[in-house]
Amino acid sequence: KQEVTQIPAALSVPEGENLVLNCSFTDSAIYNLQWFRQDPGKGLTSLLLIQSSQREQTSGRLNASLDKSSGRSTLYIAASQPGDSATYLCAVRQGGSEKLVFGKGMKLTVNP
Amino acid sequence: DTAVSQTPKYLVTQMGNDKSIKCEQNLGHDTMYWYKQDSKKFLKIMFSYNNKELIINETVPNRFSPKSPDKAHLNLHINSLELGDSAVYFCASSQVTGGTEAFFGQGTRLTVV
Repeated sequence: KQEVTQIPAALSVPEGENLVLNCSFTDSAIYNLQWFRQDPGKGLTSLLLIQSSQREQTSGRLNASLDKSSGRSTLYIAASQPGDSATYLCAVRQGGSEKLVFGKGMKLTVNP
Repeated sequence: DTAVSQTPKYLVTQMGNDKSIKCEQNLGHDTMYWYKQDSKKFLKIMFSYNNKELIINETVPNRFSPKSPDKAHLNLHINSLELGDSAVYFCASSQVTGGTEAFFGQGTRLTVV
């Protein structure tokens, strides 16, 4: 059974720091991995999708990497801003399955 | 244009009532989902439909019945609501063939009193 872990559960940093958010999964037979952002009381916004054959994806200040064999992904946020404050969720799609298995998320607070 | 829209956004109801949540996607995706986010913010899949066919049913009580009239719509009907059903319910869609991103609706916050 696939399990996705995000540690730490919360992080508070001053503005301007470069951040690394971690995600680990127990079963490396994944189809893809997706990072989401959730603002309080809102839905999920897709940030980046990495296919199992890819090593990384970039969008603006965000860079996500995937090491499938070790069951890890990291989301790198460059020059963090208060507007980056949100909960970040990692989810994997298992090979041969249509469902996403989510981690419990990491609540990020970027202080001005 | 909202890609995945669900209604209502908030739903407050008494125990024992029956309620429905509607979801529509305009992305042309072939697969739609219902996820439940509990009070600890953990997201867990409930159901998945592919081209109107149920493909995932994750040990959800049979008081919950999804219905997909066409591949752009997936509604969730809940009978005999219980206090423990209070949660945020999210609809999502993706094009499974080709492994595209999943897109989520804004959620329906259900409160059972």
